[in-house]
Amino acid sequence: EAAVTQSPRSKVAVTGGKVTLSCHQTNNHDYMYWYRQDTGHGLRLIHYSYVADSTEKGDIPDGYKASRPSQENFSLILELASLSQTAVYFCASSGGYQDTQYFGPGTRLLVL
Amino acid sequence: QQKVQQSPESLSVPEGGMASLNCTSSDRNFQYFWWYRQHSGEGPKALMSIFSDGDKKEGRFTAHLNKASLHVSLHIRDSQPSDSALYFCAATSITGNTGKLIFGLGTTLQVQP
Repeated sequence: EAAVTQSPRSKVAVTGGKVTLSCHQTNNHDYMYWYRQDTGHGLRLIHYSYVADSTEKGDIPDGYKASRPSQENFSLILELASLSQTAVYFCASSGGYQDTQYFGPGTRLLVL
Repeated sequence: QQKVQQSPESLSVPEGGMASLNCTSSDRNFQYFWWYRQHSGEGPKALMSIFSDGDKKEGRFTAHLNKASLHVSLHIRDSQPSDSALYFCAATSITGNTGKLIFGLGTTLQVQP
């Protein structure tokens, strides 16, 4: 089974602070994704990457940056956290653009 | 408007019964479908994909796709309490190479012992 891990698993942040969420995969996958999950909105794509050192904007990129320093690692950065960014964040990886996406366990972020 | 719409929002079936979930895409570019299942406190896990018209069966799970109407269904035979979860339908584009998934809002399935 493909393995995707996320850290931290939960975090409390202050409004205006910087938050970094990390994702690590051991699947040798080229594609990695960041989604957020909110009640009433399902899962929405924030950023994705199909090769190291390159990232692309998803459907809701505003307020978020992404970094892919290596094939295995993909980070999501909130430079100035806001209340509206309280959500559960999921990282996923896949071997190709029509392949199964394997999700991590999620990070529960609370911005106060 | 939500590009991928699911129904019903919630569903309760008895153990051993059949659960049927529905999904429709409103964008003809998004006609490759996935079903994901999410147990409470966990990440979504793919159940199956279906890209061609007709049925696809994997164990107790059967998906049916009608490309003309962009409608896909998931049927769970002999439902078990462990099937209680949030089920997402997701669609990906037939063009481009992003792998971007558009998710529906989900159907909550409760299997009563």
